[in-house]
Amino acid sequence: DTGVSQNPRHKITKRGQNVTFRCDPISEHNRLYWYRQTLGQGPEFLTYFQNEAQLEKSRLLSDRFSAERPKGSFSTLEIQRTEQGDSAMYLCASSLLPLASTDTQYFGPGTRLTVL
Amino acid sequence: DAKTTQPPSMDCAEGRAANLPCNHSTISGNEYVYWYRQIHSQGPQYIIHGLKNNETNEMASLIITEDRKSSTLILPHATLRDTAVYYCIVRSGETSGSRLTFGEGTQLTVNP
Repeated sequence: DTGVSQNPRHKITKRGQNVTFRCDPISEHNRLYWYRQTLGQGPEFLTYFQNEAQLEKSRLLSDRFSAERPKGSFSTLEIQRTEQGDSAMYLCASSLLPLASTDTQYFGPGTRLTVL
Repeated sequence: DAKTTQPPSMDCAEGRAANLPCNHSTISGNEYVYWYRQIHSQGPQYIIHGLKNNETNEMASLIITEDRKSSTLILPHATLRDTAVYYCIVRSGETSGSRLTFGEGTQLTVNP
């Protein structure tokens, strides 16, 4: 049983470049979440999917950010025209929609982005 | 989601119980209390959650007061590997899905 995986683990890019991160959720988990964490702060919600549908987006998700989950399995998060303020850890989490009660999110190891 | 208040830091001796408090005085009836921890440079790790009753699993125990306005996470025998930031999160129980809202958490340091 594998957990949530994220690739790459580290990414260094120059300002203005585009970057794409991938998240593979736990098998059969139908919900997938993206969070961002800057140094010294707790993670902040960006967006989430239920199957392939993107159901909620945070105000933090500017027009330069786009996320997809085309087949309801893995997801990608793309940042266009990166800025130094985008430097952060990008975390992915997945959960299984329950019939009742609440779903528990399990996190991956994160992708650390550094924009020079 | 209700706001939580945690002490910024705590220390604990190795082998002793670590008791991490959390205040959530504005919690609603359908909101759960979740605990996660984050070891430096890793993703958050789920620990435990509860609604009204006390809960226990292989990692920890969660004690929720009767009025649900506060809770305590108990690590019964802390080890050095338990050094981490611990987050107490209150979250809606609606199955429509909801974000986790992280605060600043408590930095627990387990000392040898």
